[in-house]
Amino acid sequence: DADVTQTPRNRITKTGKRIMLECSQTKGHDRMYWYRQDPGLGLRLIYYSFDVKDINKGEISDGYSVSRQAQAKFSLSLESAIPNQTALYFCATSDGQSDRDNGYTFGSGTRLTVV
Amino acid sequence: KNQVEQSPQSLIILEGKNCTLQCNYTVSPFSNLRWYKQDTGRGPVSLTIMTFSENTKSNGRYTATLDADTKQSSLHITASQLSDSASYICVVSAKGAGNNRKLIWGLGTSLAVNP
Repeated sequence: DADVTQTPRNRITKTGKRIMLECSQTKGHDRMYWYRQDPGLGLRLIYYSFDVKDINKGEISDGYSVSRQAQAKFSLSLESAIPNQTALYFCATSDGQSDRDNGYTFGSGTRLTVV
Repeated sequence: KNQVEQSPQSLIILEGKNCTLQCNYTVSPFSNLRWYKQDTGRGPVSLTIMTFSENTKSNGRYTATLDADTKQSSLHITASQLSDSASYICVVSAKGAGNNRKLIWGLGTSLAVNP
């Protein structure tokens, strides 16, 4: 099984619909992140969580919300999807932010298309 | 403004050849620099991490260098293989308050290795 699992892998939804992307991890990491990736824009941070009761906005949080249900689970919701939220979404985990940490472990991504 | 710029944007080489990818950054205060490899449709995977005091680090056929004075890093791939075809992303970590770090992601270099 993958260390970081994202579901669904692909999703097409209509404008205005609510959609949830789910992420679970078996790394035992406290820190979890949601990124989106767009061609020409690279990876941009949406939300991050350092603990079950900790939620922080990233650089592009508008239109998104998250829930950290447990240490291993971090879900991303689009309350009312719009076409410019069409992107590749990645969940990631890390064991800390020291100079010697092992970096981020990414899931395989969710390709979301909003029509 | 913290920025990470990578060059070239894309590169095509023949199998067995060497290549070098560049990363220039203006990030302060600097914490560390990582190179990630991202296969098409997959999440990025960490290749190397370099801190301020490190000049060179190898991971198999991948060798990363860091010049903290000129704020430049390079990733050299030796004896390229078809499986090296991917996007290579440079990420610089900036120190923040407390134990926090902020990641500044480059846009990546898309490498295609042809037979």
